[in-house]
Amino acid sequence: SQQGEEDPQALSIQEGENATMNCSYKTSINNLQWYRQNSGRGLVHLILIRSNEREKHSGRLRVTLDTSKKSSSLLITASRAADTASYFCATAPTDSWGKLQFGAGTQVVVTP
Amino acid sequence: GAVVSQHPSRVICKSGTSVKIECRSLDFQATTMFWYRQFPKQSLMLMATSNEGSKATYEQGVEKDKFLINHASLTLSTLTVTSAHPEDSSFYICSAGQGRRETQYFGPGTRLLVL
Repeated sequence: SQQGEEDPQALSIQEGENATMNCSYKTSINNLQWYRQNSGRGLVHLILIRSNEREKHSGRLRVTLDTSKKSSSLLITASRAADTASYFCATAPTDSWGKLQFGAGTQVVVTP
Repeated sequence: GAVVSQHPSRVICKSGTSVKIECRSLDFQATTMFWYRQFPKQSLMLMATSNEGSKATYEQGVEKDKFLINHASLTLSTLTVTSAHPEDSSFYICSAGQGRRETQYFGPGTRLLVL
């Protein structure tokens, strides 16, 4: 079953702007992961944040996690046209190791 | 990162035929492999979990007799869609994990079109 809700469903920005997307989930988790998918392609793992972490950075990516609100956000700073893709959050529930539950995804379009 | 391949990348078949999709971990031993299905503009839905040498565990609503999964070695899992119908047309993605490590490595996906 699909656990996460992502917001917004679609996001259109210009190069150089920041893109922020949010993910909410329902159950207790071990970690939350963000993935990127270019149209018709496989998934690329972006970043993993554990349940005892609140914020994590990787290059132009910044992820936050609020377990009290069961929500996470992904910020892409100084976006580029190459960042155009769909972004998914996936949670690893505590009661079922390895079974990632994916959110609905946010489709991001970055125009030059 | 680790590499997972899928073959074929794209397949078109007639209704009623069976299609086999392979998922290989190229540079590590995958104790667990996961199969997902993704319909257009939708998210990934987990279909089943397979552990090497044992029977696959299917998610609720996934027919085990229709989607046969074999995980005969630590580097190969196969998904066979039996008696495929047009509604089985989808993007099938596998992922592979090692032991209790958190990160899964995803294959590039297989696009199945059933005519």
